[in-house]
Amino acid sequence: AQSVTQLDSHVSVSEGTPVLLRCNYSSSYSPSLFWYVQHPNKGLQLLLKYTSAATLVKGINGFEAEFKKSETSFHLTKPSAHMSDAAEYFCVVSATYNQGGKLIFGQGTELSVKP
Amino acid sequence: DTGVSQDPRHKITKRGQNVTFRCDPISEHNRLYWYRQTLGQGPEFLTYFQNEAQLEKSRLLSDRFSAERPKGSFSTLEIQRTEQGDSAMYLCASSATTGLTDTQYFGPGTRLTVL
Repeated sequence: AQSVTQLDSHVSVSEGTPVLLRCNYSSSYSPSLFWYVQHPNKGLQLLLKYTSAATLVKGINGFEAEFKKSETSFHLTKPSAHMSDAAEYFCVVSATYNQGGKLIFGQGTELSVKP
Repeated sequence: DTGVSQDPRHKITKRGQNVTFRCDPISEHNRLYWYRQTLGQGPEFLTYFQNEAQLEKSRLLSDRFSAERPKGSFSTLEIQRTEQGDSAMYLCASSATTGLTDTQYFGPGTRLTVL
């Protein structure tokens, strides 16, 4: 069965410093992986997705993630944090197409950005 | 696209009452998903439809829960005889089956509080 583990429940950075949110996945086949962001009182927004094309995936708002099969990781990074990046971030793996493509979410990482 | 919409945004009910939520997906999206998110957790899959057919239900979906998508457009999720443990955010997502991996777009959610 597929699963994801987010290694940090909370990350705090200063504005202008790099962001690293860590995610490991488990899958018996080549996975489809996503990062979603959830701002308070707002819906989940897709940041980026990996679907077995380029291993370095660029997303919105300057975020990117690198798929590393040897490490079973899909960490999310951003070179310079903004105050507006403060939110909950979810690493997500998708079940196969013939299983309906339901999403399996990690526990989430809360990102705080200090001025 | 106007996005996925959900109604109501908030619902407070007393234990034992029935509640019904509505989800309007992005037009022409043939897949519709329901997830539940409790405080401090990632969303968990409940059920999904392809057109009007309900193709999978999670074990989380007890007999008190029923979902419908009668014309393959909007969907309703009903909870009968609500319990305090049903308090959560109920999220709806939709996608178009364009390939091996769909991108799911989420609505703002319905927050249910059972007193």
